Amino acid sequence: KAGVTQTPRYLIKTRGQQVTLSCSPISGHRSVSWYQQTPGQGLQFLFEYFSETQRNKGNFPGRFSGRQFSNSRSEMNVSTLELGDSALYLCASAPRTGTFYEQYFGPGTRLTVT
Amino acid sequence: SQKIEQNSEALNIQEGKTATLTCNYTNYSPAYLQWYRQDPGRGPVFLLLIRENEKEKRKERLKVTFDTTLKQSLFHITASQPADSATYLCALPASGGSYIPTFGRGTSLIVHP
Repeated sequence: KAGVTQTPRYLIKTRGQQVTLSCSPISGHRSVSWYQQTPGQGLQFLFEYFSETQRNKGNFPGRFSGRQFSNSRSEMNVSTLELGDSALYLCASAPRTGTFYEQYFGPGTRLTVT
Repeated sequence: SQKIEQNSEALNIQEGKTATLTCNYTNYSPAYLQWYRQDPGRGPVFLLLIRENEKEKRKERLKVTFDTTLKQSLFHITASQPADSATYLCALPASGGSYIPTFGRGTSLIVHP
């Protein structure tokens, strides 16, 4: 079974721009969560989507948003990029909502904001 | 809110020895605790989950203990190999029933041949 895939793997953007990251979950998994990982803050939960609805949300500003499509694929958008948004963005999929103990992570998208 | 502490200093050991990593937490009594392995530039890979009523869990060369009184988990890798070199993260579900995981910063393990 194919794992979680994320595109693109690397991205360089300029302050003020916006960016969209994509995540395809493991086949049959309907929950997709997004995380931000930085050296300073570690791995932090952004939000979770299940059945095209946001089910859980972390403590991030409204510039961070996401959506999920009917095939469970998910996108994450960050608007008005700031230097501090430079991070590894990870997506994880799980069979059902809230089953974070069963989640599988993708390889991540490395975002650099200049 | 809960706080998770892992040793920020890298752990250097010789091949064949047992590596022991520590995860301490405060302000909380989690229903379970997880350990993940993360290689540079890659996503974390789940290794083991131990529940609050389990004292110890094993998987091949891995062993995890969970002391809810001390609020501590120990992660052991026996007969360590250079391929075990990675960062190891512990994670706890958030309090309040949401089960959103909170991750420690991780400890880097370096196994020297």
